[in-house]
Amino acid sequence: NAGVMQNPRHLVRRRGQEARLRCSPMKGHSHVYWYRQLPEEGLKFMVYLQKENIIDESGMPKERFSAEFPKEGPSILRIQQVVRGDSAAYFCASSPKSKETEAFFGQGTRLTVV
Amino acid sequence: AQTVTQSQPEMSVQEAETVTLSCTYDTSENNYYLFWYKQPPSRQMILVIRQEAYKQQNATENRFSVNFQKAAKSFSLKISDSQLGDTAMYFCAFSGGSNYKLTFGKGTLLTVNP
Repeated sequence: NAGVMQNPRHLVRRRGQEARLRCSPMKGHSHVYWYRQLPEEGLKFMVYLQKENIIDESGMPKERFSAEFPKEGPSILRIQQVVRGDSAAYFCASSPKSKETEAFFGQGTRLTVV
Repeated sequence: AQTVTQSQPEMSVQEAETVTLSCTYDTSENNYYLFWYKQPPSRQMILVIRQEAYKQQNATENRFSVNFQKAAKSFSLKISDSQLGDTAMYFCAFSGGSNYKLTFGKGTLLTVNP
């Protein structure tokens, strides 16, 4: 049973480009959470999704960031027109239901904006 | 809003000795969960131990145990018989009544010396 899979592990983008981060939840998990870790900081909640629904996006910046979790395929975190301040590690977690006590994290995607 | 504070940015311990990492939190909720996560250099977020606030008994997992003081809002992690593989960042995290959003502290970098 594969764990939460995130790809790519490392992503380099120039300022102004788009970044797409993918997360495949564990088998049987229908809930996905995205967190961002800035350098020297803990993880900060961004968004919580169920299949085809955004449940809570209170931690998402209002502009340039979007997330989806389609009926088929991985969850996508999309950052448009990236800026240097977007450089961070982005983590995805999944759970079988709305219980973070059963959430498992992926290995993260490190985004570097140059 | 909940906050989690880890007052020790870095700690070190000799192999086979015991070390305690501190964590305090602030919340007005009565039912919540507390967690310790380990983040080794691989960056994977690994759940070490969790505690349910309504349980008075302190959680233990092999060499890892917690000292949960609900009135003082304190949740420290004790690592016994430290091993070189315990070297990592350790994050304390809180989840309240909403039960899906984790709030993390800034972390403590633990180094186990041979």
